[in-house]
Amino acid sequence: AQKITQTQPGMFVQEKEAVTLDCTYDTSDQSYGLFWYKQPSSGEMIFLIYQGSYDEQNATEGRYSLNFQKARKSANLVISASQLGDSAMYFCATFSGGYNKLIFGAGTRLAVHP
Amino acid sequence: DTEVTQTPKHLVMGMTNKKSLKCEQHMGHRAMYWYKQKAKKPPELMFVYSYEKLSINESVPSRFSPECPNSSLLNLHLHALQPEDSALYLCASSQKTSGVYNEQFFGPGTRLTVL
Repeated sequence: AQKITQTQPGMFVQEKEAVTLDCTYDTSDQSYGLFWYKQPSSGEMIFLIYQGSYDEQNATEGRYSLNFQKARKSANLVISASQLGDSAMYFCATFSGGYNKLIFGAGTRLAVHP
Repeated sequence: DTEVTQTPKHLVMGMTNKKSLKCEQHMGHRAMYWYKQKAKKPPELMFVYSYEKLSINESVPSRFSPECPNSSLLNLHLHALQPEDSALYLCASSQKTSGVYNEQFFGPGTRLTVL
């Protein structure tokens, strides 16, 4: 079965600095996708970025980029120029048992300090 | 309109009450989902509806009863809940019902407290 591992329960970063949130995954599928979501204290899950297993380039979306290393089965999220509003819980996710069941890692709580 | 709405935002209910959570999307998405998220944990899938039919039930107790009256609306009926059912209930939708890239859009959630 697919599994997502996030080993950093909490991270902190100074405003305007870059930060990397780690994610490793385990899957037997040849074709798969990896997602990152942000969850502020309000509760809503906000989609940030997606990486497909066959994408040749690392995904980027504004200040978010995904450092995808397929051989190492890692899909780390890089946030550049951190802002105070980036303080939130971040989840890495993938599909398991078909393409409707999204499973999440334990999450990393990011605190951005001024 | 690119959002999923959920009502109510907060709900407090007793163990003998019957209540319903409502979720709505107007993006023409064909799949809708219910997730349960306990404090300090990731969301866990409860139910999936594809084309208004229940396609996945993750062995959820029968005191939770989902309903999909039409393609835009998803309800979760609650009856005889236990205090351990207190959680954030998230609704999501996706354009497709299959495929590797099937981004799910989430609503703001309903924070449920069972007394």
